[in-house]
Amino acid sequence: GAVVSQHPSWVICKSGTSVKIECRSLDFQATTMFWYRQFPKQSLMLMATSNEGSKATYEQGVEKDKFLINHASLTLSTLTVTSAHPEDSSFYICSARLTTEAFFGQGTRLTVV
Amino acid sequence: DAKTTQPPSMDCAEGRAANLPCNHSTISGNEYVYWYRQIHSQGPQYIIHGLKNNETNEMASLIITEDRKSSTLILPHATLRDTAVYYCIVRVAAAGNKLTFGGGTRVLVKP
Repeated sequence: GAVVSQHPSWVICKSGTSVKIECRSLDFQATTMFWYRQFPKQSLMLMATSNEGSKATYEQGVEKDKFLINHASLTLSTLTVTSAHPEDSSFYICSARLTTEAFFGQGTRLTVV
Repeated sequence: DAKTTQPPSMDCAEGRAANLPCNHSTISGNEYVYWYRQIHSQGPQYIIHGLKNNETNEMASLIITEDRKSSTLILPHATLRDTAVYYCIVRVAAAGNKLTFGGGTRVLVKP
């Protein structure tokens, strides 16, 4: 299957700083990528849909100014958590679509201290 | 996308078949049934999908009832590495469509 890679796999940052997470489709081009967040023992919650060359579409309740998404190329989407706070600590997962299937990155565990 | 209902958890014995049920009584004619699984602290992994016919691949089999209101994912010979949360999702198979995850079934394979 197709490979989607996230970087970093885990990150610890201080409260108030910003953190960037990268999502790359390694062997295919993805016009659309998706960003999810997952808290412990909960399911994945879709945050936003990232479209190459255009603005991301955010789900209801997700702050677009706090979670900045950039999809500058067909193989890379980035999620920047701005002014991170401890409540932003979570597992962030990206997904890229290839025809009718979705392939997921390995996830990024963010801990804000 | 249609809502799905799965049991929250189930145990199965290593080496035996694991049958994971999913109810999707409001599924539309153009919606597929997808199965993903998520092993602890990893991203979800695609398993299989189908529309109305039963499907089989190297990982699992998918049995969809004739009225398409429910389906069963079958892991033919469960191993300890199959311990994961299994998600059943129904959605239209269009390139831009997002996947919406429900609670899934937490499967524990026991030796």
